[in-house]
Amino acid sequence: AQTVTQSQPEMSVQEAETVTLSCTYDTSESNYYLFWYKQPPSRQMILVIRQEAYKQQNATENRFSVNFQKAAKSFSLKISDSQLGDTAMYFCAFLPPGTYKYIFGTGTRLKVLA
Amino acid sequence: NAGVTQTPKFRILKIGQSMTLQCTQDMNHNYMYWYRQDPGMGLKLIYYSVGAGITDKGEVPNGYNVSRSTTEDFPLRLELAAPSQTSVYFCASSYGSGADRRFSTDTQYFGPGTRLTVL
Repeated sequence: AQTVTQSQPEMSVQEAETVTLSCTYDTSESNYYLFWYKQPPSRQMILVIRQEAYKQQNATENRFSVNFQKAAKSFSLKISDSQLGDTAMYFCAFLPPGTYKYIFGTGTRLKVLA
Repeated sequence: NAGVTQTPKFRILKIGQSMTLQCTQDMNHNYMYWYRQDPGMGLKLIYYSVGAGITDKGEVPNGYNVSRSTTEDFPLRLELAAPSQTSVYFCASSYGSGADRRFSTDTQYFGPGTRLTVL
């Protein structure tokens, strides 16, 4: 079965510092998509970043970047210059090929400290 | 362009009552989804639809029903509410791409959620 694991239930980081959230997944597929979603206290799920498995280049969106290690099946999210507004629950999600059903991890609660 | 909207935002039901959670999207997405999120957990797929008139079960469909009569709307029906259905419900939509539109490569866009409590 395909699974997504986020091994850090909670993390905290000082404002302006850098933090990395980990995500591993299990699949036998070679082409798929990976996502990081942010869920702030408002509960709205917001896409942070998206990675296509066939692309070797790591995706970047402003202060957010990923370290995609396909052989290790690892997809970590790095947040640089952390801001108070980054405080949220972060979910890693995997989209297998030929399907439209996401597989979500259990989330990492990130708190940015002033 | 409102994206994905859900109503109501909050609801309290008594055991055995029924209700419909409404979901509408104005992005002309062909795929729509219902998830539930229990406290401290990730999202679990309840039902999904790949187009008007087509629905299918997800991971946790028991106790729910859906219909998709239009591209825009995808209501979720709870019959005989039970305390185990206390959760936050999210609707999402995405655009299916690919030659036969079965491979949705695009992002899922989520509604703001409905917090449901069954007492």
